[in-house]
Amino acid sequence: EAGVTQSPTHLIKTRGQQATLRCSPISGHTSVYWYQQALGLGLQFLLWYDEGEERNRGNFPPRFSGRQFPNYSSELNVNALELEDSALYLCASTRNAGQGFLGYTFGSGTRLTVV
Amino acid sequence: RKEVEQDPGPFNVPEGATVAFNCTYSNSASQSFFWYRQDCRKEPKLLMSVYSSGNEDGRFTAQLNRASQYISLLIRDSKLSDSATYLCVVRDNQGGKLIFGQGTELSVKP
Repeated sequence: EAGVTQSPTHLIKTRGQQATLRCSPISGHTSVYWYQQALGLGLQFLLWYDEGEERNRGNFPPRFSGRQFPNYSSELNVNALELEDSALYLCASTRNAGQGFLGYTFGSGTRLTVV
Repeated sequence: RKEVEQDPGPFNVPEGATVAFNCTYSNSASQSFFWYRQDCRKEPKLLMSVYSSGNEDGRFTAQLNRASQYISLLIRDSKLSDSATYLCVVRDNQGGKLIFGQGTELSVKP
């Protein structure tokens, strides 16, 4: 079974530009979660998508947005990039958010560097 | 107050040592608890779930005390390969998102 795949692996952008990060969940998983991990900091929850809808959002400004496609893959967009957006962006998927939840499976992440 | 708090360490221990990590969480309604392991510059990986009755997986033992809102992880007979950051994780009771502690860094030395 293929795991969660994220692309690109690395991304370098200039301050003020936009970045688009992509995530493909494990087959059969309908929920996708996005997290930001800045250097030396813990994982901060960004967004949760389930069945194509945004279910929950973390404490991030509106320039962080995303969507989930009918095939359950997801895209994270970061507009007007700032230097402090430099971080590892992790995507995780689960089969569903209901009973029997057994934790996430994470992708290997996209390392975004803003210069 | 952070939703999930851990001692950041680092814990520097010799091979073969027993080491314990502690974690507290603020939301008494939380239902699911986990320990994840994260190697340097890699994604976190699920180490084990934590159950009220306590559970063991080889050299690893996890305990949950709901009354004290306290979670622990015990690693016996530490190996060099156990060197990593250990993340205490609590599931948000209003949805599916997981809330991560800052992590405790473990370094096992020969």
